Amino acid sequence: EVQLVESGGGLVQPGRSLRLSCAASGFTFDDYAMHWVRQAPGKGLEWVSGISWNSGSIGYADSVKGRFTISRDNAKNSLYLQMNSLRAEDTALYYCAKCPGGYPSYYFDYWGQGTLVTVSS
Amino acid sequence: QSALTQPPSASGSPGQSVTISCTGTSSDVGGHNFVSWYQQYPDKAPKLMIYDVNSRPSGVSDRFSGSKSGNTASLTISGLQSEDEADYYCSSYTTSSTHVFGSGTRVTFL
Repeated sequence: EVQLVESGGGLVQPGRSLRLSCAASGFTFDDYAMHWVRQAPGKGLEWVSGISWNSGSIGYADSVKGRFTISRDNAKNSLYLQMNSLRAEDTALYYCAKCPGGYPSYYFDYWGQGTLVTVSS
Repeated sequence: QSALTQPPSASGSPGQSVTISCTGTSSDVGGHNFVSWYQQYPDKAPKLMIYDVNSRPSGVSDRFSGSKSGNTASLTISGLQSEDEADYYCSSYTTSSTHVFGSGTRVTFL
């Protein structure tokens, strides 16, 4: 059974940093592209970033480019999102999502339950 | 990277059909056949319902179907049932190799 478990969320002041993690199990992690998708409270889904199976291809939404960095450790079956210079508008539930292929990745077939990031002073 | 346009709400009586539209541009919906749809219940993670415009994952009811014409994709739910009441989001791969979601549509019973 595919499982994606996010962690690392919490309350952080504007301008500070936070690192999210996603622990994957139930599939061969290094065969698949992975993504982060977020959802602000009461709002819709927003794609944040994606990374190919071998980290050779990475993409970001314009809203986070230059501030967020996606990475993965295939030996640890883990996906990460380093978030710097956080803003109030980054407040959201952050989901880790798996793709059905390594690259490119056209949709998301499994999702975690999310980790909440709140940016506030 | 503007969100794809969906109607905020859609409704139907039990057993009826409901169709949700998802309008983008030639850089996303119109530029690929890589439109997907997700169902989300309150406080739950999204679930994949349709991929590649009109393909259904294993385990998804055949009451759900997808289509696309030009820059607009559509999700149709036939034979509406109580468990279909949820939020639905479309998503498209873009010509910039990024992804964009729709604004979301809440489906309810009349």
